[in-house]
Amino acid sequence: NAGVTQTPKFRILKIGQSMTLQCTQDMNHNYMYWYRQDPGMGLKLIYYSVGAGITDKGEVPNGYNVSRSTTEDFPLRLELAAPSQTSVYFCASTDGRRNTEAFFGQGTRLTVV
Amino acid sequence: AQKITQTQPGMFVQEKEAVTLDCTYDTSDPSYGLFWYKQPSSGEMIFLIYQGSYDQQNATEGRYSLNFQKARKSANLVISASQLGDSAMYFCAMRESGNQFYFGTGTSLTVIP
Repeated sequence: NAGVTQTPKFRILKIGQSMTLQCTQDMNHNYMYWYRQDPGMGLKLIYYSVGAGITDKGEVPNGYNVSRSTTEDFPLRLELAAPSQTSVYFCASTDGRRNTEAFFGQGTRLTVV
Repeated sequence: AQKITQTQPGMFVQEKEAVTLDCTYDTSDPSYGLFWYKQPSSGEMIFLIYQGSYDQQNATEGRYSLNFQKARKSANLVISASQLGDSAMYFCAMRESGNQFYFGTGTSLTVIP
């Protein structure tokens, strides 16, 4: 059972480059999330989606874009990478029940140099 | 205002002793869920325990229990009989009706042999 799969696990980008972080889940969850975790800090919500075709901004959306064309996939796009985007990125998913936890991917460690 | 507050950046506990990790939350939503996650040094997010706002009894899962005081808006995690493998970051999180998850800044727990 794969759960939530993120790729890549590690990536180094140069300033100004772009990339897409991939996230896919096989649990048929409607709700999906992207978080970033800076060193020694908690998780900050970047974007989330409540279903295919629906996305919304979280606390820190600037510099990022998302799309949700299918239930399974929720890619995060970084345009014009900046050093401030150096972080660990987590994708998570859950169903609509109030007592269901968020299931997390393994994370992507991104460094912008 | 912070949705989730964890005021203990770091905690130490002797092996086999119990430890309490503090969490307070802020919401006006009558229906919400509270979650605790463990993040070991390997980086993955591991779900530990859940408490619903309407639950009358405190949640327990093995050595983990949640001290839920609704009027004080606190949801402290109690780990009994600490083990060396409990050394990790611990995050408190809240899910409101809107299905966003809010995370605290975490508490780093070190278990001393």
